[in-house]
Amino acid sequence: QKEVEQNSGPLSVPEGAIASLNCTYSDRVSQSFFWYRQYSGKSPELIMSIYSNGDKEDGRFTAQLNKASQYVSLLIRDSQPSDSATYLCAVRGDSSYKLIFGSGTRLLVRP
Amino acid sequence: DVKVTQSSRYLVKRTGEKVFLECVQDMDHENMFWYRQDPGLGLRLIYFSYDVKMKEKGDIPEGYSVSREKKERFSLILESASTNQTSMYLCASSFRHGTRGAWDQPQHFGDGTRLSIL
Repeated sequence: QKEVEQNSGPLSVPEGAIASLNCTYSDRVSQSFFWYRQYSGKSPELIMSIYSNGDKEDGRFTAQLNKASQYVSLLIRDSQPSDSATYLCAVRGDSSYKLIFGSGTRLLVRP
Repeated sequence: DVKVTQSSRYLVKRTGEKVFLECVQDMDHENMFWYRQDPGLGLRLIYFSYDVKMKEKGDIPEGYSVSREKKERFSLILESASTNQTSMYLCASSFRHGTRGAWDQPQHFGDGTRLSIL
């Protein structure tokens, strides 16, 4: 049973649009949530961390967390072709140390 | 900025060889991790360390060992390389102390080592 679920995509959006990436998790007591961007052949790069319910904004990126629904999302405003990548959701699970990664959503931003 | 440096971007070795992958971080992070990433399987934790000389098994430790003699350096060792260990290997590090819990600080990744075992 997968503990962090993401739609594999690809999610295709036109340049300038808002891209919405979603992630659900199974562990109700999860406390820490992270979004990473991974370009093909490269390593994951941290975009944002979120720990409390609500929205957290950083530039064009907004992370949204709803612990009651066990749902975390990432919004990318004014999407650019350079945003085309795989986005990984990561959640600290019930083990004391383990960060559980979703399989990632591939985003394509069409010029 | 956090800098996590992996010694090689690409590495080709033969079956049965002993392989060393090195990782160095410059941010005084206590926690260090080794993952492998394979298509369709995602990121899987091999080993991690929370202090010098301390190491803990992750999800897939078989065939691997690690060494942490200095705080900034975490080495992954393939004792006798096999073809099923061909993969992308990723090192990461994070703070253990601070305003968040010991495991709640974000992990920062190195550039990765693409290892091929022939």
